[in-house]
Amino acid sequence: DTAVSQTPKYLVTQMGNDKSIKCEQNLGHDTMYWYKQDSKKFLKIMFSYNNKELIINETVPNRFSPKSPDKAHLNLHINSLELGDSAVYFCASSPDWTGLNTEAFFGQGTRLTVV
Amino acid sequence: KNQVEQSPQSLIILEGKNCTLQCNYTVSPFSNLRWYKQDTGRGPVSLTIMTFSENTKSNGRYTATLDADTKQSSLHITASQLSDSASYICVVSRGANFGNEKLTFGTGTRLTIIP
Repeated sequence: DTAVSQTPKYLVTQMGNDKSIKCEQNLGHDTMYWYKQDSKKFLKIMFSYNNKELIINETVPNRFSPKSPDKAHLNLHINSLELGDSAVYFCASSPDWTGLNTEAFFGQGTRLTVV
Repeated sequence: KNQVEQSPQSLIILEGKNCTLQCNYTVSPFSNLRWYKQDTGRGPVSLTIMTFSENTKSNGRYTATLDADTKQSSLHITASQLSDSASYICVVSRGANFGNEKLTFGTGTRLTIIP
């Protein structure tokens, strides 16, 4: 059983379109995250949600809007896609939002390509 | 500036040999340091998490060391196997204030094991 699952795994879309990436975790964790991994393989946090509430927003453009209908889901909606949005997006979860000594579990990633 | 630097950027070794990956950080205040393994096309998977007071931690053939005084960590892989081929990412967590835990990722070391 997949602990953190993302869909779709691959997404190719044109500039200007709006798209969503879904994430679900079945670990019973309170905290979920979205990370962006660029072409240089550098992972950077975008958002952190704890029990459906936004905890961290790392100066991400407001074209990116996370939505957490419940603590097991954190979806990422992107409006007006730009070429620079092309990257691999990872969803992750951890037991609590303090992050102290707790392991974060990552999904398999969604490779977004904007053409 | 909070940074995590890893060396080497890439490494190729023969199957069965040992290797050591390095991580230097300037993140402050320090909370914990994590090593992740990321297979191609997959999400990162945690190998070890070390706090300030821990000098060494093992997970099977992986042994991580931490020198909090010099702000250096290493990941030693013993008797390498083909399945060890992956990117290894060092992640340092800043001291967590309420809802403000921050992770700083290194750019990773790409390890390739050849038969």
